[in-house]
Amino acid sequence: KAGVTQTPRYLIKTRGQQVTLSCSPISGHRSVSWYQQTPGQGLQFLFEYFSETQRNKGNFPGRFSGRQFSNSRSEMNVSTLELGDSALYLCASSLESVNTEAFFGQGTRLTVV
Amino acid sequence: AQKVTQAQTEISVVEKEDVTLDCVYETRDTTYYLFWYKQPPSGELVFLIRRNSFDEQNEISGRYSWNFQKSTSSFNFTITASQVVDSAVYFCADSSNTGKLIFGQGTTLQVKP
Repeated sequence: KAGVTQTPRYLIKTRGQQVTLSCSPISGHRSVSWYQQTPGQGLQFLFEYFSETQRNKGNFPGRFSGRQFSNSRSEMNVSTLELGDSALYLCASSLESVNTEAFFGQGTRLTVV
Repeated sequence: AQKVTQAQTEISVVEKEDVTLDCVYETRDTTYYLFWYKQPPSGELVFLIRRNSFDEQNEISGRYSWNFQKSTSSFNFTITASQVVDSAVYFCADSSNTGKLIFGQGTTLQVKP
């Protein structure tokens, strides 16, 4: 059974650019959540998608957005990148909800210069 | 509001020592879920355990054990006979039935040979 796959693993972008990160959940899982990890703020919840609908949202500006496709794959997009967006972005895959179990991918490390 | 506190920022032990990682949670919900994750240098979060608020039984899995005490709002994690491979950052988290994980700041465990 394949795990959670996040692509790309590493990204370097310039301030002002936009970026799209991808997450393929475990087969059969319908919930995908995104988290941002930084040394200063730790792990913070961005949003959750379930059956192509955003079900939960964290306290991030509108520059952070996401979507989920019919095959449960999810993408998150960050527009007008700022230096502070440099972080490890982790995707979690769950059957129904993180309340049961959440399996994480290896993350995408984004560096904004 | 949900909050998870891991007061120990870093712990260093010598191999074969026992070590306990502390976790204190705050929630107003009567139904909640507590988790422990391990984050090795590779970056992904590895699921270790999940407990719901109605199950205060302690759990043991090999060298790992967990002590859940609602009276003190604590969910502590003990590694018996630690090994170098246990070196990682360990996170405690709570979902409080909200569908999003609230993480503590993490405890970095270093096990020296």
